[in-house]
Parts: sequence; C-alpha cells; structure tokens
Amino acid sequence: GDSVTQMEGPVTLSEEAFLTINCTYTATGYPSLFWYVQYPGEGLQLLLKATKADDKGSNKGFEATYRKETTSFHLEKGSVQVSDSAVYFCALSERAAGNKLTFGGGTRVLVKP
Amino acid sequence: DTGVSQDPRHKITKRGQNVTFRCDPISEHNRLYWYRQTLGQGPEFLTYFQNEAQLEKSRLLSDRFSAERPKGSFSTLEIQRTEQGDSAMYLCASRQSGSSYNSPLHFGNGTRLTVT
Repeated sequence: GDSVTQMEGPVTLSEEAFLTINCTYTATGYPSLFWYVQYPGEGLQLLLKATKADDKGSNKGFEATYRKETTSFHLEKGSVQVSDSAVYFCALSERAAGNKLTFGGGTRVLVKP
Repeated sequence: DTGVSQDPRHKITKRGQNVTFRCDPISEHNRLYWYRQTLGQGPEFLTYFQNEAQLEKSRLLSDRFSAERPKGSFSTLEIQRTEQGDSAMYLCASRQSGSSYNSPLHFGNGTRLTVT
C-alpha cells in the first residue's frame, strides 16, 4: 500500500536559517503530493501541493518539487521565521484510493529568535 | 465558506462509555473523511463518505466504531465501549469530488478524546 516517510524531528533552527525536511513516498499509482502544516493549537492547513512530476509547489516562501525518479517531495525554505514553528506533514493521495490522504509521521520545527 | 466544524473540541470519558462526535463539512463538499491522530504521529485514515454512502473503512475502524452521514451533510462518529487506546485527536475533513481529483482536503480543528 501507499506510504510516506519523512525525517523525524524535532528540527531546531535559528531565525533566517535554511530549512529542509525530507519526504519520500511509495505509491501504487501516480499520486498527488502535499505538504500540510499544523501550527500550535490549530488544525491542519494545506501549505502546498504538486500533482505531476517536476511540478514545484510553493507558498509562504516554502517550496517542494515532485521528483518521480527519486519518489521524493522535500520541503525547503530559504530563511525561516519564528512564526514558521509548527509541525509539517508530507502526504499523498491517489484517485484510485478515493483521494484519501496518506500522511507521514510529521516533523516538528522550532525556530528560535 | 465557514470551514469544517467539529463538536465537541474536547471530550473526557471513562473507559467503557460510549461517545459521539459530530462533523459539519463545508456546505458544498460531498466527500467527508474521518482521521485519527495520536500524539507525535501523522493522521491515520478511518473512513470516508461520498454524500450519504460510506465508501471505505480502514481496518483501524474496529466494530466498536461506527460512522454515519445520514443526509449527506453532517456526519457522526460513535465509539462504543471506549478503551484507553482510543484516546486521540479525531479529525474530520471534506472536499468536493468531481472537481480536479487532486483538490485538497479541508480539515476541522478536531475533537480531542481522553479516555480515563
């Protein structure tokens, strides 16, 4: 079945540092890929998505590129802020599976001033 | 668009009791999903509906769990004879099918269940 593996946290960074969170997946078909973010005390929010190979999703300074050859969708941000402190989830969905999301375990990011 | 609403936000119950949670999806969304999230883990799929039809149930959904969406609008998730292992955040999400199949799910803030 489908699965998503992402690097374990917590990841602790200083403000303005570069952030990378690795995500790899296995899927039976051709999935869409997503990053969701969960800020403290809030619900899951879509951060960005990509639907086909070599697509780049971007939002709020975050980027991730759909790499079919390496089955990866790594999240990056060039200069993090304290407000980026959150838990980040990589996820995939497949049309044949009812478009339900399969999530990774989440990576907690803490940005210190 | 008022978002996905879940009620209650928190529920504390004693082992063996039954609990019921409610989810109100975004009004035009015909697909509704339930997930469970335990501390430090990603959400795990439980079940989903298209309109009032329950199309898939995870094997995580034991026979103590039942979900309904009787009129294709709000949904309820009931857990009978709760166990301490049921303690988790229960998340509801919705989307409109028939649009781009990769349209994202919109999540509610969840119901946190604590079984003592």
